[in-house]
Amino acid sequence: AQSVTQLDSQVPVFEEAPVELRCNYSSSVSVYLFWYVQYPNQGLQLLLKYLSGSTLVKGINGFEAEFNKSQTSFHLRKPSVHISDTAEYFCAVSEGSSYKLIFGSGTRLLVRP
Amino acid sequence: NAGVTQTPKFRILKIGQSMTLQCAQDMNHNYMYWYRQDPGMGLKLIYYSVGAGITDKGEVPNGYNVSRSTTEDFPLRLELAAPSQTSVYFCASSGRDRGHGYTFGSGTRLTVV
Repeated sequence: AQSVTQLDSQVPVFEEAPVELRCNYSSSVSVYLFWYVQYPNQGLQLLLKYLSGSTLVKGINGFEAEFNKSQTSFHLRKPSVHISDTAEYFCAVSEGSSYKLIFGSGTRLLVRP
Repeated sequence: NAGVTQTPKFRILKIGQSMTLQCAQDMNHNYMYWYRQDPGMGLKLIYYSVGAGITDKGEVPNGYNVSRSTTEDFPLRLELAAPSQTSVYFCASSGRDRGHGYTFGSGTRLTVV
């Protein structure tokens, strides 16, 4: 069955340091992959997505992610984080022709000054 | 351009009471979804709809009902509220192009006491 694993429930990091948020998925067919960000007391906003083509995708606010088919991973990275990046980040996958998104459990990014 | 509108934003219910969470979108999206978000658990799909008059169960449908009489509206009904239904509820919608991902509402925080 399709599933998404975000191994880190919380990632503390100092401002201006690099960060990587990990996401692994299980699927035997083609997938679309998404990262969403949720700021406190708000809904989810699309950060970036992988549909096909180049495995490195860039999103808003300086984030990027790399699709690795052999490792079934879609890790999110930012070279230098800001205090304003403090939020919860969700990885999501849709499989085959399905319109349903399956979400990971989320990773809380805590940026400290 | 309102996107996805959810009402109310907050609600406290007593055990056994019923209520309807409202969701409306103005993007002419065919697909609509209801998720619940619990701490550390990510988002779980309750119900979804692929068009007016068509609904189907998601991962956690027990205790909920939905209807889709129009393209714009997708209300979620809670019958006989229980403490286990204390959660944050998100409505989302998507169009025919799966690659665009979902547009989320700002959520309804429900507490059952």
